[in-house]
Amino acid sequence: NIVLTQSPATLSVTPGESVSLSCRASQSISTSIHWYQQKSNESPRLLIKYASQSISGIPSRFSGSGSGTDFTLSINRVESEDFSIYYCQQSYSSLYTFGAGTKLELK
Amino acid sequence: EVQILETGGGLVKPGGSLRLSCATSGFNFNDYFMNWVRQAPGKGLEWVAQIRNKNYNYATYYAESLEGRVTISRDDSKSSVYLQVSSLRAEDTAIYYCTRSRVSFDYWGQGVMVTVSS
Repeated sequence: NIVLTQSPATLSVTPGESVSLSCRASQSISTSIHWYQQKSNESPRLLIKYASQSISGIPSRFSGSGSGTDFTLSINRVESEDFSIYYCQQSYSSLYTFGAGTKLELK
Repeated sequence: EVQILETGGGLVKPGGSLRLSCATSGFNFNDYFMNWVRQAPGKGLEWVAQIRNKNYNYATYYAESLEGRVTISRDDSKSSVYLQVSSLRAEDTAIYYCTRSRVSFDYWGQGVMVTVSS
């Protein structure tokens, strides 16, 4: 199975800061990585597909980058509604896997 | 509007079985793959199973941790997908989400809780 390692596990920030969340794959997966946001007691929501492709309805402050094994989700100027958990997921293998998540919390 | 609704959860004894259902509407079901993803209390997301559409011969894929105990199926005439889970264990306690995909999971249901306990 392809293992996805997300870091940091927790990121404490103040609103207005810009942040980068990391997702590293155990083997090269081209750009077959997708990012999700999960707020407390809600279903996950797709933010970014194929590493950097935007999703309709998602604020433009969310962006993604990377290829191969290293991927980044960036949030430009964090807003209060962004405090939640972020997961990466790979679709390179038909045995899909998720990272363990990064919790974005209020400092 | 895309709608995904899971049903069939509840309290099950260890060793028991459960069939989850997922009814969808608002999109052409035949065009999409369907998946089940689960989340144990306080834990992260775990992909469970996928069933592809007719164009891919309804191929199925399962997480290795569950293979042999789960079966995913679909009924295109009802725009529905199902998950049969057997030999349930305490560690199967989770919210089970139904999601659609082509590659990424772009729409999710609200989830259904399965609790395995004696």
